Amino acid sequence: NAGVTQTPKFQVLKTGQSMTLQCAQDMNHNSMYWYRQDPGMGLRLIYYSASEGTTDKGEVPNGYNVSRLNKREFSLRLESAAPSQTSVYFCASSTRSQGPSNYGYTFGSGTRLTVV
Amino acid sequence: DQQVKQNSPSLSVQEGRISILNCDYTNSMFDYFLWYKKYPAEGPTFLISISSIKDKNEDGRFTVFLNKSAKHLSLHIVPSQPGDSAVYFCAALMNSGGSNYKLTFGKGTLLTVNP
Repeated sequence: NAGVTQTPKFQVLKTGQSMTLQCAQDMNHNSMYWYRQDPGMGLRLIYYSASEGTTDKGEVPNGYNVSRLNKREFSLRLESAAPSQTSVYFCASSTRSQGPSNYGYTFGSGTRLTVV
Repeated sequence: DQQVKQNSPSLSVQEGRISILNCDYTNSMFDYFLWYKKYPAEGPTFLISISSIKDKNEDGRFTVFLNKSAKHLSLHIVPSQPGDSAVYFCAALMNSGGSNYKLTFGKGTLLTVNP
C-alpha cells in the first residue's frame, strides 16, 4: 500500500547540472502534480498532469520540464539547476472518481534538493 | 496575488485547550476547501474538507467552519494534543477545466501544542 513514491529523497547538485525527480503512484489516480515548498511560501504548483498524455504549467514552471510517462509515473526534470531551485519537492496524485470526500490529494514524502 | 491566505505563521496552545487556525480566500469560484497537516520530513496528509455549500463539517476532534460571505474558514481542534503539533495548510479546490481540479495552498501555520 505504497501510495505515492518519490525518488530520490535527498540530492545535492552543482549549479548547471541536470537531474530528474521520479514519482510513481499505485492508486490508479488520473491526475498528478509537482509542488515545491519553500520557507514562508507554502506549496506552489510547478506542473500538473490532469490525465495520461497531458501536462500543463502551474504557478512556477520556469526552469522545469515534466513527463507523464504513463498513468502511474510523472517525472520532473531540471535541465540546468540553479541555487533558486533549492527546495523540497512534493509529488501528489488525485482522483475525483469516488466523490467529494476524495477530492484531496495524496502526497509523496518529498525530495529535498540542494543546488550549490 | 495570493488567493489563499493564512496570516498567522505560528500558534501555540496548551494541551487540552482549543486550537483555532484561520484561513481567508479571495476567489469565490473555489468549490471545496481542505486542510492538510504536515510533519517535518513527511508529505502533507489530508485532514478534513468542506464543500462551499456547507458551513460546518466535523470529524472527531476536528471541525471546519466556512463563512462564505466573509470568505473565511477556520479549523478547530478540540481538545488539542501534543501529537497535533505540525504545520497546517489551508487549501482551496477549483475546477480548472473539464475534469481537472487544482489545489491552491496557503503558506501554512505551525501549531505547537504544549504538554
